This record gives sequence, C-alpha cells and structure tokens, in this order.
Amino acid sequence: EVQLEESGGGVVQPGGSLRLSCTASGFTFDDYAMHWVRQAPGKGLEWVSLISGDGTTTYYADSVKGRFTISRDNSKNDLYLQMNNLRTEDTALYYCAKDIFDYYSGSYFDHWGQGSLVTVSS
Amino acid sequence: SYEVTQPVSVSMALGQTARITCEGNNIGSKNVHWYQQKPGQAPVLVIFRDFNRPSGIPDRFSGSNTGNMAALTINRARAGDEADYYCLVWDGSTVVFGGGTKLTVL
Repeated sequence: EVQLEESGGGVVQPGGSLRLSCTASGFTFDDYAMHWVRQAPGKGLEWVSLISGDGTTTYYADSVKGRFTISRDNSKNDLYLQMNNLRTEDTALYYCAKDIFDYYSGSYFDHWGQGSLVTVSS
Repeated sequence: SYEVTQPVSVSMALGQTARITCEGNNIGSKNVHWYQQKPGQAPVLVIFRDFNRPSGIPDRFSGSNTGNMAALTINRARAGDEADYYCLVWDGSTVVFGGGTKLTVL
C-alpha cells in the first residue's frame, strides 16, 4: 500500500525558513517523480514544485521560484521542501503527491499525503 | 502562462446530472485530469486523461475534452458527491490547477 506522510510544518515568522519532509513507502520511490501541492485556508489547490525520480530535474511555480527548493533522498525514501524567505501568503496545508511516472508532462498524481500545515505569521 | 477557468459553484438536485467545466485555450490538445476533495481530506483522482476512471470510481463519473472546454459529468447525483472538484493540466513543465468548483447536491 502506497503511503505518504508529511512532517515539518509549524508556525514561522515572515522572512523565516522551514523544511518540510515527506516519507514514502509502498512503492519504488526513485521510479517516480514527486510533487508538492499547497492549499491556503479555504482556497483551492496550487501546485508548488516537482522533482524527477533521480532528482536531477526540478521545476517550480513562479510564486515560489528562488525561495523554495525541492530535493529528495532516494536512499531514505524521503522528499523535502526547503522554504526560505517565507511570506504570509505561503500559509497553507502542504501536500506531497506521487506522480504516476517519472517526470512526464501531461501525467497526474495517483497518491497524496494528508498534508502538513505551515503558518507564516508575526 | 496557461490558465484554466472553472465555475465557482454548481448545484444539482439529488439524482440529477451535474456538469463541471474547465475552460482553457485549446485545452482539447492537453490531457485533463479531475480530482474530488471533500472537507478535511486529501484530493482523490476521479478522472484521468480526459475520460478514464480509476478503479473504484463509479461509472456515474465521466469526462470529456474538446476544443476550449473539458468537462466532468456526474450522473444520478448522490449526497456523497458533494465536494470541491479541480481540473489539472500541464503548461509545459509546470502543473496548473483550475480554481475549483464547489458541487452542492440539493
């Protein structure tokens, strides 16, 4: 059974940093691209970033480019999102999601975690 | 950047048919996927690649995609279908979600 479990969320001041983790199990982790998707309170889904199975290819939404870094440790089955220079508008529930392929434009996500809440507030 | 537009809300009577649209320039040339999200839960895939249903999704759910509009159709609506629905497409190397549609079953 595929399982994705996020951790690392919390409350941080504007301008601060936080690192989210997502631990995966139940599938061959390095065979698949992984994504981060966020959802602000009461709002819709917003895609944040993706990383290919081998970690060499990454892409970001314009709203986080230059501030967030996605990475993975395939030896540990872990996905990460390093978030720097956080803004109040980054407050959201952050989901990790598994792609059905390694990086492929046009694919979709077949499994999601339950999310980790990040609150940016002074 | 590519944009897709969904209606904010759709209502339908119990047992009737609902249609949720996702509009974008020449969206018919893209793969469109649909997610259902109920309050407090993670999204669940209900349609992939325009019209395909994952295992476990009832055949009351169907999809179409042509021209500038993709659509998710839910037949014989049930109270349990009340949820937010999101379309997903790719814009080159990045992913775009529609703004989401709140489906109310009256």
